[in-house]
Amino acid sequence: AQKITQTQPGMFVQEKEAVTLDCTYDTSDPSYGLFWYKQPSSGEMIFLIYQGSYDQQNATEGRYSLNFQKARKSANLVISASQLGDSAMYFCAMREGPGAGSYQLTFGKGTKLSVIP
Amino acid sequence: EAGVVQSPRYKIIEKKQPVAFWCNPISGHNTLYWYLQNLGQGPELLIRYENEEAVDDSQLPKDRFSAERLKGVDSTLKIQPAELGDSAVYLCASSSQTSGSSYNEQFFGPGTRLTVL
Repeated sequence: AQKITQTQPGMFVQEKEAVTLDCTYDTSDPSYGLFWYKQPSSGEMIFLIYQGSYDQQNATEGRYSLNFQKARKSANLVISASQLGDSAMYFCAMREGPGAGSYQLTFGKGTKLSVIP
Repeated sequence: EAGVVQSPRYKIIEKKQPVAFWCNPISGHNTLYWYLQNLGQGPELLIRYENEEAVDDSQLPKDRFSAERLKGVDSTLKIQPAELGDSAVYLCASSSQTSGSSYNEQFFGPGTRLTVL
């Protein structure tokens, strides 16, 4: 079974609108972390936001927020007030195991977001 | 602060030729990762170093791939001989447990895009 599933190969959003990128995960480990990365056409993976499995509140970082629904095993990324520079590939990733002692990230296949002027 | 540096950015070779990629991590980052990213996929871990020691190389195809991290800083990933299926982007990332971040995010370089003809 896929550990990280991103069901939206591509998404379009109007500039200044909000958009939600879906991510579901599969793990039996009670301790895990979920990451979102942005990959523009330049190729570099840019860290956006992190949610720990024991975090009580949904993570937020500027225009990015994570809609974490533990029972549903989903960790959707919400981008508010989309900008043209948000056009990129977005990857959801999971790290299993407690804290900084675990390292391996498992990535989904990504969602290509296109922001329309 | 300088980010993760990789070179070359692009490499085109013929099959059966050798190729090498170089990575310079963020200063002070003791953990270094090499990832393989096929077209339309998320990155997959090839090898992880803690300082100069390869602590996870279970996904590295050892018949043709090799890696080293001299003095626990720069790293080189080599393929010999290259095959058509090796065409992909090779990403290097680094992280540090002492960065002050509670989630030990990985910082990625821009990658090397390899084309094998």
